[in-house]
Amino acid sequence: GENVEQHPSTLSVQEGDSAVIKCTYSDSASNYFPWYKQELGKGPQLIIDIRSNVGEKKDQRIAVTLNKTAKHFSLHITETQPEDSAVYFCAASDSGSGGSNYKLTFGKGTLLTVNP
Amino acid sequence: DAGITQSPRHKVTETGTPVTLRCHQTENHRYMYWYRQDPGHGLRLIHYSYGVKDTDKGEVSDGYSVSRSKTEDFLLTLESATSSQTSVYFCAISESAAGEQYFGPGTRLTVT
Repeated sequence: GENVEQHPSTLSVQEGDSAVIKCTYSDSASNYFPWYKQELGKGPQLIIDIRSNVGEKKDQRIAVTLNKTAKHFSLHITETQPEDSAVYFCAASDSGSGGSNYKLTFGKGTLLTVNP
Repeated sequence: DAGITQSPRHKVTETGTPVTLRCHQTENHRYMYWYRQDPGHGLRLIHYSYGVKDTDKGEVSDGYSVSRSKTEDFLLTLESATSSQTSVYFCAISESAAGEQYFGPGTRLTVT
């Protein structure tokens, strides 16, 4: 089955700096890679995702890059703000490829702290 | 939380008792999922459903059963709760197999 490794487990940055979280996956058939943000006491919230037919996707201060050859993908947050402080999870899935494995496998999470 | 509610939000129960958690959605999405979240393990899939009465096992299904008799409701049952099932349980929904998954607010379950 799929295995997703996420690094670092904790990340502390100063407000205004950039933050980068990296994930690697094991199953070359995976083709969907979402990122979730989870605030304390709440459910994970989808913030951005990328499919294997593109290499990069941006949404305001957030971007995700995908390298299928190396089997890794990264979340980039620019101009960080204190409200970006949360736990971030990456995930991978082999979805829509004709198989039945449309299940997400999650990384263990990164606690991001943005210091004012 | 994308029209997803979970009940109860908090529950404390004793070892050996049955427990049922409910997930209710108003989005009419076909796919529904149950995950558990534990420190050091992230989110792990317990069971999922791809339609009414259609369910399948996930990564950590032992000790859990599910039922889906209506599109909007997905029930997770612990037949005989154990302390190892103390966790936060999340329900998620998606419109299609390849679609985005949206999570509910979670249920914190403590088994004493």
